[in-house]
Amino acid sequence: KQEVTQIPAALSVPEGENLVLNCSFTDSAIYNLQWFRQDPGKGLTSLLLIQSSQREQTSGRLNASLDKSSGRSTLYIAASQPGDSATYLCAVKAGGFKTIFGAGTRLFVKA
Amino acid sequence: DGGITQSPKYLFRKEGQNVTLSCEQNLNHDAMYWYRQDPGQGLRLIYYSQIVNDFQKGDIAEGYSVSREKKESFPLTVTSAQKNPTAFYLCASSIAWTGEQETQYFGPGTRLLVL
Repeated sequence: KQEVTQIPAALSVPEGENLVLNCSFTDSAIYNLQWFRQDPGKGLTSLLLIQSSQREQTSGRLNASLDKSSGRSTLYIAASQPGDSATYLCAVKAGGFKTIFGAGTRLFVKA
Repeated sequence: DGGITQSPKYLFRKEGQNVTLSCEQNLNHDAMYWYRQDPGQGLRLIYYSQIVNDFQKGDIAEGYSVSREKKESFPLTVTSAQKNPTAFYLCASSIAWTGEQETQYFGPGTRLLVL
């Protein structure tokens, strides 16, 4: 059974710091891995999608990597800003229509 | 303006009452999903539908029911059989099975509270 774990559960950093969020999954047979952002009381917004055949994706200050063999993905945020404060969720698309979500990392960037 | 809408934003349920959460999309997506989110937990799949007039149970379907009579709409009913319904409910949609490129688009959510 696929399980997705995100560490740490919460993170507080000063503005301008580079940071890494971690995601691990137990079954390497995935179609893709996706990182989402969720603001308090809101829905999820897709940040980056890495297909199974890819190693990384970049969008602006965000870079996500995927290592299927070790069951790990990282989300790198460069030069963090207070506006980056949110919960970041990792999700793995397994067989069929199932997508398995991690519990998220709550990020707080201090001005 | 394409997207997914959910209503209401907040919903209060009395004991023994059935309540229905609305989800509408104008993205022309075939697949739609309902998730439940509890504090400190990942999203859990309640029901999903790949096509009109067809839907499948997810991991936590007990106490919930859905219908898919129109492509744009996928309402979720929380029945009195669901003993712990307080949670944040998220609806999502995606283009029919596209393998590695498939991504889900989410609505703004409905928070259900029990009186």
